[in-house]
Amino acid sequence: DAGITQSPRHKVTETGTPVTLRCHQTENHRYMYWYRQDPGHGLRLIHYSYGVKDTDKGEVSDGYSVSRSKTEDFLLTLESATSSQTSVYFCAISEGLAGNEQFFGPGTRLTVL
Amino acid sequence: AQKVTQAQTEISVVEKEDVTLDCVYETRDTTYYLFWYKQPPSGELVFLIRRNSFDEQNEISGRYSWNFQKSTSSFNFTITASQVVDSAVYFCALSEEGGNNRKLIWGLGTSLAVNP
Repeated sequence: DAGITQSPRHKVTETGTPVTLRCHQTENHRYMYWYRQDPGHGLRLIHYSYGVKDTDKGEVSDGYSVSRSKTEDFLLTLESATSSQTSVYFCAISEGLAGNEQFFGPGTRLTVL
Repeated sequence: AQKVTQAQTEISVVEKEDVTLDCVYETRDTTYYLFWYKQPPSGELVFLIRRNSFDEQNEISGRYSWNFQKSTSSFNFTITASQVVDSAVYFCALSEEGGNNRKLIWGLGTSLAVNP
């Protein structure tokens, strides 16, 4: 299995508070991704990174920011959490060549009250 | 525009039945890649297979087989002699070669329930 960990695995927070989710990989893969998964919507890309300090938006980036200061870590921040951001968040990695599969972390279940 | 359609939202079968999960894709690229992932009830996402657009050979792995047909833009997944452990949500995804983004376009998934 690819070495991908996410922390925390579960979090309950209140509306308006900042939240940071961490993804850590030991595979030295170039690309990292943050997705959210919601019933009826499948997997939706929030942000992705194609190198240290190189990031770009996905399809549902509003309300989220990311940072990647090291190859192995990709942080997702909710600046001011809202109830609509209650979801399961997955981090994924890939080597970055065309056609490379993505490998996923175990997910973080976030509840915003 | 790229798109992946998994028309079957939910499928329920009895153990030992064969079941086929459909995946239809749209792309303008001539070079692209197709994937299947499995998400069991425990929640993790597991990579199953990758196919590139130049390889239309069917693939078999144990009870799993995949049928890629460019003529119909389909990449269907068949489970033979299904088992309860096959119960999961299965996702089909598409990636195009061009550009720097290396993003996957995901179908919404098919939830498969295999009943004893």
